[in-house]
Amino acid sequence: GAVVSQHPSWVICKSGTSVKIECRSLDFQATTMFWYRQFPKQSLMLMATSNEGSKATYEQGVEKDKFLINHASLTLSTLTVTSAHPEDSSFYICSAPTRKLGRTDTQYFGPGTRLTVL
Amino acid sequence: KQEVTQIPAALSVPEGENLVLNCSFTDSAIYNLQWFRQDPGKGLTSLLLIQSSQREQTSGRLNASLDKSSGRSTLYIAASQPGDSATYLCAVLSGGSNYKLTFGKGTLLTVNP
Repeated sequence: GAVVSQHPSWVICKSGTSVKIECRSLDFQATTMFWYRQFPKQSLMLMATSNEGSKATYEQGVEKDKFLINHASLTLSTLTVTSAHPEDSSFYICSAPTRKLGRTDTQYFGPGTRLTVL
Repeated sequence: KQEVTQIPAALSVPEGENLVLNCSFTDSAIYNLQWFRQDPGKGLTSLLLIQSSQREQTSGRLNASLDKSSGRSTLYIAASQPGDSATYLCAVLSGGSNYKLTFGKGTLLTVNP
């Protein structure tokens, strides 16, 4: 089956620094990838849709200057948390859909990145 | 705006018991519904995906049903095992051309040996 990887799996950083998280589709091309955030005991909340070759689409309430997304190729999207603060500490998960039968999509999720900002 | 609700929030059962997890969604215009499993601190593992035109899907001891018109889905787990302990998330894909996956908060399942 399709595989999506994320790197790093966990990161600890000081407040004010920037952190980059990579999301890769390993055996398929993804023109679209999704970035989610999950706080403890909460569900996944969609942050933004990453589109290869164009600007990302951000959900309401998500600061685009805070969470920079770059979809540089058909297999790689990056999320950079700029000037991270403790409230940005969360579990970040990406996903990529594949098309089956050209009609509906199966979502494949990365293993997630645990970000802790001190 | 699509909203997904999962009941119960937590469930504890003895090993071997059959159980049902419930999921409801407010907008029936969905493309598909997916059930996921999430272990603590881990990513998501897709269990079953039901297309909007389907009524149910089965995989091993798991059976998921979909009643799109009433906005409901159930995940049935037969002969539960301690290894089934995890959080189970329901998600629906909807939203026209800009489709979005909306998740419920999950059901935390504990299967006691």
